[in-house]
Amino acid sequence: DQQVKQNSPSLSVQEGRISILNCDYTNSMFDYFLWYKKYPAEGPTFLISISSIKDKNEDGRFTVFLNKSAKHLSLHIVPSQPGDSAVYFCAAKGRWTETSGSRLTFGEGTQLTVNP
Amino acid sequence: DGGITQSPKYLFRKEGQNVTLSCEQNLNHDAMYWYRQDPGQGLRLIYYSQIVNDFQKGDIAEGYSVSREKKESFPLTVTSAQKNPTAFYLCASNTGNLQGRGNTIYFGEGSWLTVV
Repeated sequence: DQQVKQNSPSLSVQEGRISILNCDYTNSMFDYFLWYKKYPAEGPTFLISISSIKDKNEDGRFTVFLNKSAKHLSLHIVPSQPGDSAVYFCAAKGRWTETSGSRLTFGEGTQLTVNP
Repeated sequence: DGGITQSPKYLFRKEGQNVTLSCEQNLNHDAMYWYRQDPGQGLRLIYYSQIVNDFQKGDIAEGYSVSREKKESFPLTVTSAQKNPTAFYLCASNTGNLQGRGNTIYFGEGSWLTVV
């Protein structure tokens, strides 16, 4: 049961344009969402996050939007740069319990390619 | 510098052998995690530990074992029972403390395991 899904395995955009990466989830108990960026053969690095009590969070060129009714979030990168080319993972966290702690559930990832 | 160190970076295993991947963190984090990444797939949780001397199975624990004897160390053993061990393994940690909800997870650089 894939609770976090990124339906687009790849996305290609031109430098300077907007990149929009999408993520859907099924578990209504998720209350915190994160985006990670990953280069080949390296560990993922944290990019931006959003709490379920918000619908938007912005950090420089990166903005995450959350639509709770649709169980959908998206990451906008504008303007896109060639150095943004990487795999982007969406992740979700449920409410803390003694059993589950702070474990994250990840999507499959989307390979973003920004062409010069 | 604080961080998560995984070793070795590359490891080759013969069929039928057990191998152990090391993960050490000096971030004073309570919670540690092991994820596995396969090509074209997201990060899948193998095992996690919220506190020393305690750990729990993730989504794909079969064929793996862990220990958490020290706060800073969370080694993963890939046993001969794991049918498809060739993958990229990622160790992660976060505060995940018992008094509150955890936050961003930080990852190590990863370890490549190949069965030959």
